[in-house]
Amino acid sequence: DVKVTQSSRYLVKRTGEKVFLECVQDMDHENMFWYRQDPGLGLRLIYFSYDVKMKEKGDIPEGYSVSREKKERFSLILESASTNQTSMYLCASSPDWLSNQPQHFGDGTRLSIL
Amino acid sequence: AQKITQTQPGMFVQEKEAVTLDCTYDTSDPSYGLFWYKQPSSGEMIFLIYQGSYDQQNATEGRYSLNFQKARKSANLVISASQLGDSAMYFCAMREALTGGGNKLTFGTGTQLKVEL
Repeated sequence: DVKVTQSSRYLVKRTGEKVFLECVQDMDHENMFWYRQDPGLGLRLIYFSYDVKMKEKGDIPEGYSVSREKKERFSLILESASTNQTSMYLCASSPDWLSNQPQHFGDGTRLSIL
Repeated sequence: AQKITQTQPGMFVQEKEAVTLDCTYDTSDPSYGLFWYKQPSSGEMIFLIYQGSYDQQNATEGRYSLNFQKARKSANLVISASQLGDSAMYFCAMREALTGGGNKLTFGTGTQLKVEL
């Protein structure tokens, strides 16, 4: 089974802090994704990566950056956390070569910015 | 741009009854894929079923089936014989192929399903 592991289930930080959310997958997937989920808005794509050191902006990249130094690890960075970044963050991965393969998700990180 | 619409924020169904969750989509890409995910209150996203735009038959996976009507651009999820454990948020999503390879998903806003005794 594919395993996508997010480093924390719950995280509380203060405004202005630099926050790192880590995600690791164990299936050698090319693609990795970061979403945020808010009530009534569904999942919105922040950033994604289809290869090591490659990154692409999603639909809501403002206030975020990402890093993918190794294939299995994809980090989301909040450069200076703000209260409007309080949300559930979900990481996902998928293989590149079969378009009907689903994205596999981690358990999510509930981030609160105080 | 691709768009996914789920018009039912909440649904109730009696145990053992069938329920249909609506999903409509909009895309100009002739090749696309539609996914349904389930998210229980614990938060994990569970893949349920996939339908490709060129698939001739509606997808089925156990108690889940997808009522795919291409001309109407709808991909409704049908859950037969509902169980209490089906109570969850359900998301419809559409795959968009990327020019550099791989793909990304666009999600609807979800439908919260509650199964009652």
